Amino acid sequence: QKEVEQNSGPLSVPEGAIASLNCTYSDRGSQSFFWYRQYSGKSPELIMSIYSNGDKEDGRFTAQLNKASQYVSLLIRDSQPSDSATYLCAVGDSNYQLIWGAGTKLIIKP
Amino acid sequence: GAVVSQHPSRVICKSGTSVKIECRSLDFQATTMFWYRQFPKQSLMLMATSNEGSKATYEQGVEKDKFLINHASLTLSTLTVTSAHPEDSSFYICSARDDKGQLNTYEQFFGPGTRLTVL
Repeated sequence: QKEVEQNSGPLSVPEGAIASLNCTYSDRGSQSFFWYRQYSGKSPELIMSIYSNGDKEDGRFTAQLNKASQYVSLLIRDSQPSDSATYLCAVGDSNYQLIWGAGTKLIIKP
Repeated sequence: GAVVSQHPSRVICKSGTSVKIECRSLDFQATTMFWYRQFPKQSLMLMATSNEGSKATYEQGVEKDKFLINHASLTLSTLTVTSAHPEDSSFYICSARDDKGQLNTYEQFFGPGTRLTVL
């Protein structure tokens, strides 16, 4: 059974601080990794994708991938109240389907 | 780019009626679309994978005769909830995979979702 694990939270972070979200996966053969953001009552929105070990930066967001340890993380710098949402980790399997984590609820406190 | 529309955004219906939800990729072709359901405060649950020109693949526990999926073109998939009951009330979300001319891609782009309430 392929699994993607996330801490459900809520993770509470002060405004302006760095929010760190983590995700582990079971399928060692996975090659593609995604972070989606979902606001309450809305559908998920793709914010980052990463395919190679290391860091990938896009504005205030940095995705980090470590295939040897089977984890992927998302860092949000200078956290804003508008970043408060549920963050979903998704991992691509060999059939080009996405295996979804249950999501981490992030709360940015002003 | 990569915009997916979904219609209607909200529907309220009586128990026993059927409801059709449309999912369209507006600026790209999508051989594969996905239908998800999400109950309040729960995670996404994949219901089925819709492939253009062929039968949908349903996840375990999802009744294919109740949730009819038709993917008639590269930009349109429909989900029909037949004989809806109150327990079918949920947030239904479609996503589409941008083929970019090849099938070995993963990125899924989501429609805005349809909130179904069955009275």
